[in-house]
Amino acid sequence: AQTVTQSQPEMSVQEAETVTLSCTYDTSESDYYLFWYKQPPSRQMILVIRQEAYKQQNATENRFSVNFQKAAKSFSLKISDSQLGDAAMYFCAYRSPGIGNQFYFGTGTSLTVIP
Amino acid sequence: EAGVTQFPSHSVIEKGQTVTLRCDPISGHDNLYWYRRVMGKEIKFLLHFVKESKQDESGMPNNRFLAERTGGTYSTLKVQPAELEDSGVYFCASSQVTGLVDLEKLFFGSGTQLSVL
Repeated sequence: AQTVTQSQPEMSVQEAETVTLSCTYDTSESDYYLFWYKQPPSRQMILVIRQEAYKQQNATENRFSVNFQKAAKSFSLKISDSQLGDAAMYFCAYRSPGIGNQFYFGTGTSLTVIP
Repeated sequence: EAGVTQFPSHSVIEKGQTVTLRCDPISGHDNLYWYRRVMGKEIKFLLHFVKESKQDESGMPNNRFLAERTGGTYSTLKVQPAELEDSGVYFCASSQVTGLVDLEKLFFGSGTQLSVL
């Protein structure tokens, strides 16, 4: 079974600075999807960014970008110009191709943004 | 457009009692998923509905858990009798079947925090 590991239970960043959240995974599949989800306190979990394993180019969404290292099975999230609204629990997730396949999530990283 | 809604947001019950969690997916979404996060651990898959049919229930912990999706609309997850280890946050998510996996986007609810004392 696939596993996803987030080794940083908590992280903090100064407002306007950059922070990187780490994620590693284990799989024997060659094709898959990776995701970062964000859950603000008492709010819905929302998709931040996704990466298709067959794409070598790292995904970018505004201030959010990933460093996808397929050989190393690493998928880190970089948040640039951190804002107070970025404070949340961040979950890294893996999914095999195919409608309905389950997500495998990590344990989450709680990000605090310091004003 | 309303998102995925879950009710209640919090539930505190005693061991041995019964609790029913409800999820209303986004209207028109055929796929409905239940996930659970035990404190400090990863979010784990429980089961997947396509319309009213259980597509995959491999993640259900044991037979104390019963999920239904009447008429392919809202879903309920009943825990009977509840045990201490059932405490956690139960998430529901939904998506539309597009036939193109690249386009399947999941929408999550805010979760139900279940505390079993």
